[in-house]
Amino acid sequence: DAGVIQSPRHEVTEMGQEVTLRCKPISGHNSLFWYRQTMMRGLELLIYFNNNVPIDDSGMPEDRFSAKMPNASFSTLKIQPSEPRDSAVYFCASSLRGFDQPQHFGDGTRLSIL
Amino acid sequence: DQQVKQNSPSLSVQEGRISILNCDYTNSMFDYFLWYKKYPAEGPTFLISISSIKDKNEDGRFTVFLNKSAKHLSLHIVPSQPGDSAVYFCAASGGMSDALNFGKGTSLLVTP
Repeated sequence: DAGVIQSPRHEVTEMGQEVTLRCKPISGHNSLFWYRQTMMRGLELLIYFNNNVPIDDSGMPEDRFSAKMPNASFSTLKIQPSEPRDSAVYFCASSLRGFDQPQHFGDGTRLSIL
Repeated sequence: DQQVKQNSPSLSVQEGRISILNCDYTNSMFDYFLWYKKYPAEGPTFLISISSIKDKNEDGRFTVFLNKSAKHLSLHIVPSQPGDSAVYFCAASGGMSDALNFGKGTSLLVTP
């Protein structure tokens, strides 16, 4: 079975540009999570969705970040405009909704803002 | 503030011996705990979990122990193998949120 699929795997762009990260969750999973990993802060939640509805976006750094889940099989995380401090690895994870359900992660997008 | 802490950034163990990775948490609302294994350039891979109603869960060579009164959990790997060399993350969730709170990881090196 296919796992969580993220694209692109790597993105290098100049500051001020718009960046869009994409995620396809595991089929049948109804919860989707976006995390960011940095050396300073480790892995931290940005936002998560249950049944395509955003539940908790308290981890989104600022208005430059936005996330959407238009359907059960696709989500995007957008940064506009991007800044060098946004450089990090961004992970998407999905799970079945409910207690005792582990999250399964994609391989991440390594983002570098020059 | 870090609600899940892994105080050992690294650990080196000989092949065949036991590896013990430790994790502490501060939030008493956490009721589900997981360990993930991560190789470079890959996402975290789910390894084993435990809910707060248990104090031990075993899966092959991997055992997780939970001590709720001490807010402490540990992962035991017996016997350790060179392929176990990776970064191990402890994570917890609970209360009103489904989100995982992660420790900063422990890098395990298993030497032949």
